[in-house]
Amino acid sequence: DIQMTQSPSSLSASVGDRVTITCRASHDINFRLAWYQQKPEKAPKALIYAASSLQGGVPSRFSGSGSGTDFTLTISGLQPEDFATYYCQQYDNYPRTFGQGTKLEIK
Amino acid sequence: EVQMVESGGGLAQPGGSLRLSCAVSGFTLRTYAMSWVRQAPGKGLEWVSGLSASGDATFYADSVKGRLTISRDDFTNTLYLQIYSLRADDTAVYYCAKGGGSAGLGSFDYWGQGTRVSVSS
Repeated sequence: DIQMTQSPSSLSASVGDRVTITCRASHDINFRLAWYQQKPEKAPKALIYAASSLQGGVPSRFSGSGSGTDFTLTISGLQPEDFATYYCQQYDNYPRTFGQGTKLEIK
Repeated sequence: EVQMVESGGGLAQPGGSLRLSCAVSGFTLRTYAMSWVRQAPGKGLEWVSGLSASGDATFYADSVKGRLTISRDDFTNTLYLQIYSLRADDTAVYYCAKGGGSAGLGSFDYWGQGTRVSVSS
């Protein structure tokens, strides 16, 4: 199975900050990586697919980059509604696997 | 508009079984791969099962293999997950997730609201 490792596990930031979350795959997954946002007691929401393509309706302050084994999610100009938990997921192979999550909290 | 509504969760006894349903609208199940993803209390997301768009290929996580069956009804546009031999560690919110298209094939672009399963005696 492909292991996905996110860092950091938690992060404190202020409104207006720029933050970066990293996701590393245990094997080369090309560009087959997605990012999701989840708020407490809510279903995950898709943000990015194919490492850097924004899902429809997602604000442009979200961006993704990377390929192979190393990927990043960047949020430029944090808004109050962005404080949530973020997950990466690989879809190069079955079983699909997620990172353990990064909790973004207000400083 | 894509809508996905799960049902069938609840309190169940260890060793019992449950069938979860995901009624979808706004697209047809024959067009997209589908998956079930679960989240235990206070934990992260865990993919447990997938079904190809053609309906002829199923996939399962090793942790649940042999105890879960994914299927669909193309007439009612409903996805199912049958869970057998329930264990305490099956306690989780179960989400159905729609597979993306083209470069997003294998990612999940829409999620249901989830159905909660609690396994306890």
